[in-house]
Formats: sequence, C-alpha cells, structure tokens
Amino acid sequence: SYELTQPPSVSVSPGQTASITCSGAKLGDKYACWYQQKPGQSPVLVIYQDNKRPSGIPERFSGSNSGNTATLTISGTQAMDEADYYCQAWDSGTVFGGGTKLTVL
Amino acid sequence: QVHLQESGPGLVKPSQTLSLTCTVSGASISSGGYYWSWIRQHPGKGLEWIGYIYYSGSTTYYNPSLKSRGSISLDMSKNQFSLKLSSVTAADTAVYYCARGEPGYYYMDVWGKGTTVTVSS
Repeated sequence: SYELTQPPSVSVSPGQTASITCSGAKLGDKYACWYQQKPGQSPVLVIYQDNKRPSGIPERFSGSNSGNTATLTISGTQAMDEADYYCQAWDSGTVFGGGTKLTVL
Repeated sequence: QVHLQESGPGLVKPSQTLSLTCTVSGASISSGGYYWSWIRQHPGKGLEWIGYIYYSGSTTYYNPSLKSRGSISLDMSKNQFSLKLSSVTAADTAVYYCARGEPGYYYMDVWGKGTTVTVSS
C-alpha cells in the first residue's frame, strides 16, 4: 500500500520560514494537499492541488510537489501557526502522512 | 456556506455496529459532483481515511484496512450520509469526522467538527 512519510516534528522561530516535507513514491505524479489541525479542532485545508491556497488561507502558506517530495512552506511563521500538519494524496484511496507537529519557539 | 455535522452514539459495545450520520447544510449532497468521506483519528494519533461515497450514491470506496467492515450510504431526502462499521473493537475508539471531497483532485475542503466514539462494554 502507498505510504506518505513526514518528519514527526519541526521547530521554527517566529518570523522565520518553516518547511515540512512529505515523501512518497512518485508523489510528484499525484496531487498533494495539506491540512492544519490545532488541538481539539478538525483539520483545515491549507494547500490543495500541490500549491493552491483556499480562500481565507494566508499568503504565507505555500506548497510545492516534485519527484518524490511535497513541501509545505510557511513564510514569516507566526505563533498561531503552531499546529499539526498532515499531507494527503490519492493512490487507490486517500492516503495521509503521519503528521508533523510544528512548534514555534 | 457549507456545514457538516456528525451525530451518533458516543458509546458502542464491542462486537456491535457503530452508526454515524453526517448532516450537510448549505449545499445539496446530490449535486455538485462531490464525494462525501469519513475519516477517523485515534486518540493522540494521525488521520485515517475510512471511505467515501460519490454524490450520486453510485460509487463507494473503502480503506482496505477496514477489512470490509465499513459501509457508507446517502439519504438524499434528508441531505445526509451515513457510516456503519460492524464488529467494532476497542481499536475503533476514535474521533470520527465527515468531510466533503473534490473529485479528481481528492482534497477535502469542508470538515465537520468530529464526534468521539468509544468502544467499551
């Protein structure tokens, strides 16, 4: 079965750029999306179709997808961006990455 | 604006069937070409996709890891879709989410708040 791998945790200082990776076989041939989940809340879509932002998502969120890796980039990270982030793709079913806890120190 | 709301028993006994309903407001589930999904999250863990049903009700797709225990259906008259998960065990204890999915690209753009289901005698 298809697997997506994310680092368990990423730390970033306020105002700096955070990058969260998602790896999977030939992931660049598929569409990747990203969700943000804060404690006690449901996931929120922040990037879809590799690099598109839904309405209401700040411009500091961006995405890319090539080769075997998709990347979520948060520029000028703010304290409010501290959350769990999940990548997702489709391969004979919806597949989620294991999630990355982003800490803003 | 589209809203999804999960409902159902918070406690289910082992070996019984878990039944949840997702009520959709602000849009018709039978139009728009969307697919309607169930996802769960075990305590302190990541997201696990359970399955989806296409807006016409003609197609369903399930996570093979459920070993055919899952069933998703539409009730267009009530603008709802439902999940049944049979022969539950403690491993099915989780927060269950319903979500709307975009066909072709498979991202889920609208999620319910989730409902906690505990499997225990």
